[in-house]
Amino acid sequence: DVKVTQSSRYLVKRTGEKVFLECVQDMDHENMFWYRQDPGLGLRLIYFSYDVKMKEKGDIPEGYSVSREKKERFSLILESASTNQTSMYLCASRPRVAYGYTFGSGTRLTVV
Amino acid sequence: GIQVEQSPPDLILQEGANSTLRCNFSDSVNNLQWFHQNPWGQLINLFYIPSGTKQNGRLSATTVATERYSLLYISSSQTTDSGVYFCAVVVISGSRLTFGEGTQLTVNP
Repeated sequence: DVKVTQSSRYLVKRTGEKVFLECVQDMDHENMFWYRQDPGLGLRLIYFSYDVKMKEKGDIPEGYSVSREKKERFSLILESASTNQTSMYLCASRPRVAYGYTFGSGTRLTVV
Repeated sequence: GIQVEQSPPDLILQEGANSTLRCNFSDSVNNLQWFHQNPWGQLINLFYIPSGTKQNGRLSATTVATERYSLLYISSSQTTDSGVYFCAVVVISGSRLTFGEGTQLTVNP
């Protein structure tokens, strides 16, 4: 089974801090994705990547950046954390050919 | 963009009951998945089912792509089935997974 691992389950950061959320997958998938989930707003796509060093903006990229230096790792970066970035963050991966997405266990980020 | 509508939004069952969750989508898709989000927030993939019928234990799913809907059946429900069930799709021309708003299922003992 594909495994998608997110480095932290819970994270508390201060306003203005630079925050790194890490995601690693172990099945050589080309596509990786970052979503955030908020009550009443559902799951929204932040960024995705088709391949190493490739990135595409999703629906809500403002305040975020990403890095994909190796195929298995996709990092989400909050350049200067703000309280409105308090959320559940979910990483997913998918092979190039049509197939299902696999999600990590999520990171609950609180910015105080 | 594609619209994904799930019904019902909330469902309360007694343990042992059966249920059917529905997902309607507004465009042709090449990917449809059903997920269960557990109380800890993890999205568990139940089915990858862009068309046809699949079964896994007490769960089964059917997608009729030509009519743009999918159904998730839960039989003999258990309290551990509680949580939110999401339908998510990818349009044929795209790569983004678009989620419905989910069905909140509560199974009481």
